[in-house]
Amino acid sequence: AIQMTQSPSSLSASVGDRVTITCRASQGIRNDLGWYQQKPGKAPKLLIYTASSLQSGVPSRFSGSGSGTDFTLTISSLQPEDFATYYCLQDYNYPWTFGQGTKVEIK
Amino acid sequence: EVQLVESGGGLIQPGGSLRLSCAASGFTVSSNYMSWVRQAPGKGLEWVSIIYSGGSTYYADSVKGRFTISRDSAKNTLYLQMNSLRAEDTAVYYCAKDGDSGTRFDYWGQGTLVTVSS
Repeated sequence: AIQMTQSPSSLSASVGDRVTITCRASQGIRNDLGWYQQKPGKAPKLLIYTASSLQSGVPSRFSGSGSGTDFTLTISSLQPEDFATYYCLQDYNYPWTFGQGTKVEIK
Repeated sequence: EVQLVESGGGLIQPGGSLRLSCAASGFTVSSNYMSWVRQAPGKGLEWVSIIYSGGSTYYADSVKGRFTISRDSAKNTLYLQMNSLRAEDTAVYYCAKDGDSGTRFDYWGQGTLVTVSS
């Protein structure tokens, strides 16, 4: 199975900060990667699909980049509602695998 | 409006069976790729299974041979039959649908908790 390694596992940031989360695949996955946001007690929410496409309704401060093995989720200016846990998911081949998550906390 | 509502979770003894349901509205289950994703308490997300619109199915290694994904077109409902349950299957189980153009899991249900314990 493809291993997805996210970093950092947690970070503290302030409102207005630029935040970058990375996800590395153990083998090339083209651009078959998505990013999800999850708040406590809630279902995940799709933010980015095919590595860099913004899901409808998601604020433009979220962006994704990368291809092959290295991917990045960037929040250009962190807002109070962005404090959550973020996961990447590879759907290049089965079994699909998530990263372990990155918890974004308030500094 | 798209809605997914899971049900069927609960407390079950190790070795037991349970069937989860995911009732859909606002779209047709049989025309979409549908998945189950689970999350153990305090842990990350784990993809469990998918059923294609054409009927093909795939499973995580951890559940292969024990879980079966299926759907009922008349009821517009997705199912997950879980047999030989283990303590490590304890989790919130979410159903999720795929959208168009590679939008994986664009809608999720609220989840149903399965607890496997004696």
